[in-house]
Amino acid sequence: GNSVTQMEGPVTLSEEAFLTINCTYTATGYPSLFWYVQYPGEGLQLLLKATKADDKGSNKGFEATYRKETTSFHLEKGSVQVSDSAVYFCALITYTGGFKTIFGAGTRLFVKA
Amino acid sequence: DGGITQSPKYLFRKEGQNVTLSCEQNLNHDAMYWYRQDPGQGLRLIYYSQIVNDFQKGDIAEGYSVSREKKESFPLTVTSAQKNPTAFYLCASGTGTGFSGANVLTFGAGSRLTVL
Repeated sequence: GNSVTQMEGPVTLSEEAFLTINCTYTATGYPSLFWYVQYPGEGLQLLLKATKADDKGSNKGFEATYRKETTSFHLEKGSVQVSDSAVYFCALITYTGGFKTIFGAGTRLFVKA
Repeated sequence: DGGITQSPKYLFRKEGQNVTLSCEQNLNHDAMYWYRQDPGQGLRLIYYSQIVNDFQKGDIAEGYSVSREKKESFPLTVTSAQKNPTAFYLCASGTGTGFSGANVLTFGAGSRLTVL
């Protein structure tokens, strides 16, 4: 079946450190891939997306590249800020009688000043 | 401003009671979704609806029920049959049409249900 696997957290970094959160997926066909972010006490919001192989999604300094050969969509940021502290979810879309988004377990990021 | 409104934000329930969580959207989205979020488990799909008067079970539908009588509204009832209902519940909407990359989800702020 379709699934998303993320690295377990929490991830704790100092401000200005480099961030990588790993994400791999299993899916039939060529799904669209997403990263969503959840700040404390809120719902999720879209961070970035990629719809085909080798596409790079980017937003707010975050980037992720759709790698079909390794079925991966790792999230990176060159210099994190305290305000980036949140939970990050990797996700893909499948179609079975309607579009369904499947989420990974989430990775909590703490950034220390 | 367009968005999704969930209510109540916090809800306490005694065992054996049914409770209904409200979800309203003014984004003119066709598709609506209910997810359950538990610590360390990510989001699991409960029910989803692509059009009015139609809905499908997700991965963990047992003990839950929904209705979709209006495009804007997709209420979720947590019934007494749900054995472990304490969780954070998130409602979302999406276009539900077109190609998959266009189906970005917009989420509400969530409802936290606690069973006493």
